Amino acid sequence: GAVVSQHPSRVICKSGTSVKIECRSLDFQATTMFWYRQFPKKSLMLMATSNEGSKATYEQGVEKDKFLINHASLTLSTLTVTSAHPEDSSFYICSAYDWAGGYNEQFFGPGTRLTVL
Amino acid sequence: KNEVEQSPQNLTAQEGEFITINCSYSVGISALHWLQQHPGGGIVSLFMLSSGKKKHGRLIATINIQEKHSSLHITASHPRDSAVYICAVSPGNTPLVFGKGTRLSVIA
Repeated sequence: GAVVSQHPSRVICKSGTSVKIECRSLDFQATTMFWYRQFPKKSLMLMATSNEGSKATYEQGVEKDKFLINHASLTLSTLTVTSAHPEDSSFYICSAYDWAGGYNEQFFGPGTRLTVL
Repeated sequence: KNEVEQSPQNLTAQEGEFITINCSYSVGISALHWLQQHPGGGIVSLFMLSSGKKKHGRLIATINIQEKHSSLHITASHPRDSAVYICAVSPGNTPLVFGKGTRLSVIA
């Protein structure tokens, strides 16, 4: 099946720094990627929809200036958590969707655990 | 009320038992997904189905579109099946709507 990778898998940073998380589709072109956030023992919550070549669409309550999303190519989307604070500590997961290739299934990355000290 | 409801929330089973996890949804969908999340957090897509039944190894997923209900069955359960199982629905070309998950523990 299709593979989606995320990097890094785990990151610890100081409060006030920015952290970039990469999501890559390894063997298919992803026209749409989604970014999710998951708090401990909670369900996944959609943060934003990232479409290649256009601006991301953010869900209500998600600060677009804090969570910068760039989908510059068909295989890469990045999420940058700017000026991170401890409350941003969470598990971030991306998924990729490929309509052009005939897939209508989402493929998930392994996730990135962010800890802000 | 959540658009996707899963039951049970928690399930403990003895190794070898037959397990059923249920999912009900209230919205129109183009597909339903069953996902598995291990303690480390990574998510694996088990099934995507829009009708009928699918089988992969010891896992079976069924869906009844008219009743807006799906079940995930695990036959001959094993401790390595311990994980959170998540039902998610796809209302067309839009992001998935997730259930809260079912935490399964299989004891040897």
